[in-house]
Amino acid sequence: NAGVTQTPKFRVLKTGQSMTLLCAQDMNHEYMYWYRQDPGMGLRLIHYSVGEGTTAKGEVPDGYNVSRLKKQNFLLGLESAAPSQTSVYFCASNRKSNQPQHFGDGTRLSIL
Amino acid sequence: AQSVTQLGSHVSVSEGALVLLRCNYSSSVPPYLFWYVQYPNQGLQLLLKYTSAATLVKGINGFEAEFKKSETSFHLTKPSAHMSDAAEYFCAVSEGSGYSTLTFGKGTMLLVSP
Repeated sequence: NAGVTQTPKFRVLKTGQSMTLLCAQDMNHEYMYWYRQDPGMGLRLIHYSVGEGTTAKGEVPDGYNVSRLKKQNFLLGLESAAPSQTSVYFCASNRKSNQPQHFGDGTRLSIL
Repeated sequence: AQSVTQLGSHVSVSEGALVLLRCNYSSSVPPYLFWYVQYPNQGLQLLLKYTSAATLVKGINGFEAEFKKSETSFHLTKPSAHMSDAAEYFCAVSEGSGYSTLTFGKGTMLLVSP
């Protein structure tokens, strides 16, 4: 059982570079989420999706874009990375909105 | 709007002592409440959830939490701490009706000393 898989696990970028983080889930979940985790801040929701082809903004969406072209995948993009985006990024999914979310192991991203 | 407050960013206990991690929430509708645990360099794992059934909820690893509507609290407890309980714990709330995203507290790091 893979559950929620995030790729890559670590990445270092230079300011202004772009990249895409991939989240894949094999549980046939409708809902998927991207969070960032910073020390002392808990988890903050960046974007989420309530189904294939849909996306919505969360608490901290600026500087990020997302796409959900396939039900099992949810991509998070940084078009022009900034040092303030240095963080640990978590993807999560669930079957219904009020059911527990299943989390990936995270992507540790550093932007120099 | 919903929010979660976790009192204490760090809690230290001795092995075998009672664990009490505090969580207070605000929600305009009856909430769904969750506790998650995060071990170093890992994602979050569900410990337990409250979804308007029994107010005392039992979870994994001997943890339990009690929903108290009058106090808007959902504190996490364990009678006897074990070294393996050292981790960061997050309380989260979602509005039970309709679609709602999760709002997390800022987390409490549990330190367990021998």
